[in-house]
Amino acid sequence: DTGVSQDPRHKITKRGQNVTFRCDPISEHNRLYWYRQTLGQGPEFLTYFQNEAQLEKSRLLSDRFSAERPKGSFSTLEIQRTEQGDSAMYLCASSLGRTVGVYGYTFGSGTRLTVV
Amino acid sequence: AQSVTQLGSHVSVSEGALVLLRCNYSSSVPPYLFWYVQYPNQGLQLLLKYTSAATLVKGINGFEAEFKKSETSFHLTKPSAHMSDAAEYFCAVSDRQTGANNLFFGTGTRLTVIP
Repeated sequence: DTGVSQDPRHKITKRGQNVTFRCDPISEHNRLYWYRQTLGQGPEFLTYFQNEAQLEKSRLLSDRFSAERPKGSFSTLEIQRTEQGDSAMYLCASSLGRTVGVYGYTFGSGTRLTVV
Repeated sequence: AQSVTQLGSHVSVSEGALVLLRCNYSSSVPPYLFWYVQYPNQGLQLLLKYTSAATLVKGINGFEAEFKKSETSFHLTKPSAHMSDAAEYFCAVSDRQTGANNLFFGTGTRLTVIP
């Protein structure tokens, strides 16, 4: 296992289309996080899972955003009816254990979304 | 809510000079603190973290940071800058009290190293 994998690396879509991103965490990590990073800003927390349970989703940006982790392994982030303001880098991270402070996060390389 | 402030969105240093990137946190209880580095079109790589053990934390690539409760600071330093240090650096905080389930990031500091 070489780390957190995200697919695709780049996605260009037309406004109004739906897009889905995939994240494969480090295999033994039970927690998975999604972040969004816009140009010139730090990553912004969206949601996280512990195994298959989505424990925090209040920070998802709108009801157009949804995430799943059906078997507690890989996760998908879907954006419906994309808008130009959704253009950003979407980062996935995973961790082992109950607290970030003890074990830290491992980030993937991200998916860069461009909405035209 | 937890937050961090990074002073200076851009820092330029000469190769071989001291690197100092500033981070101040807001919290009534010392949180967990982190520094991450991001190279262009890449994800974030953990440089170091503070979790209430030693206040001087050593990380990868010769970086270190000192937790100062009296100043609510966690500044990142490196004695001698190398060209490969040019990147974006993010300070991040997580809430020790609530179980630290996510990280809150600062806006980042872009480090330029001048040959």
